[in-house]
Amino acid sequence: NAGVMQNPRHLVRRRGQEARLRCSPMKGHSHVYWYRQLPEEGLKFMVYLQKENIIDESGMPKERFSAEFPKEGPSILRIQQVVRGDSAAYFCASSPSLGPGANVLTFGAGSRLTVL
Amino acid sequence: KQEVTQIPAALSVPEGENLVLNCSFTDSAIYNLQWFRQDPGKGLTSLLLIQSSQREQTSGRLNASLDKSSGRSTLYIAASQPGDSATYLCAVSLKGSGNTGKLIFGQGTTLQVKP
Repeated sequence: NAGVMQNPRHLVRRRGQEARLRCSPMKGHSHVYWYRQLPEEGLKFMVYLQKENIIDESGMPKERFSAEFPKEGPSILRIQQVVRGDSAAYFCASSPSLGPGANVLTFGAGSRLTVL
Repeated sequence: KQEVTQIPAALSVPEGENLVLNCSFTDSAIYNLQWFRQDPGKGLTSLLLIQSSQREQTSGRLNASLDKSSGRSTLYIAASQPGDSATYLCAVSLKGSGNTGKLIFGQGTTLQVKP
């Protein structure tokens, strides 16, 4: 079991380009969460997804950001027309289906986005 | 609005010392509280999870307590070792969010244990 896999680990983009961050949850986990850690700040919840459904996107910026978790394949966090303020570490976490262990998250190593 | 604060922001201690990290939260209506460890350039590792009905949890040299009424939690590390050097994060899960992984994090305490 390889744990939560995120790629790329490091991504550099110029202003105006698109960034796509991928997350493969742990085997057997069907819930995915994305968190963002801005420099000198704590982790902030962005979005919670299940397969083919966005459950809670209350932490997502209103524009340019989107997330999906298709039936097949990894979850994708997409940032369009990146700006310097998007530079951060983006962490993905997964958990099993609702139940006693549902809020025991397993985190990935993060994807570090740098916008030039 | 729930806010989570961790004090101190940074801490440096000699090896072998016992130490306490503090976490406070403004809304006592939490589902649970967790302590995580974050190593530089890496993800988070869950250390201890305390349900709202519990007062403490222990794992090895770590002991976490929860006082919901005062909005406080402490993480006690006994006999600290250089390998304990990391950033420790406190996070709460709100009752409204149910049994999910939607967490509110503090900004962390960066611990350095000197040999």
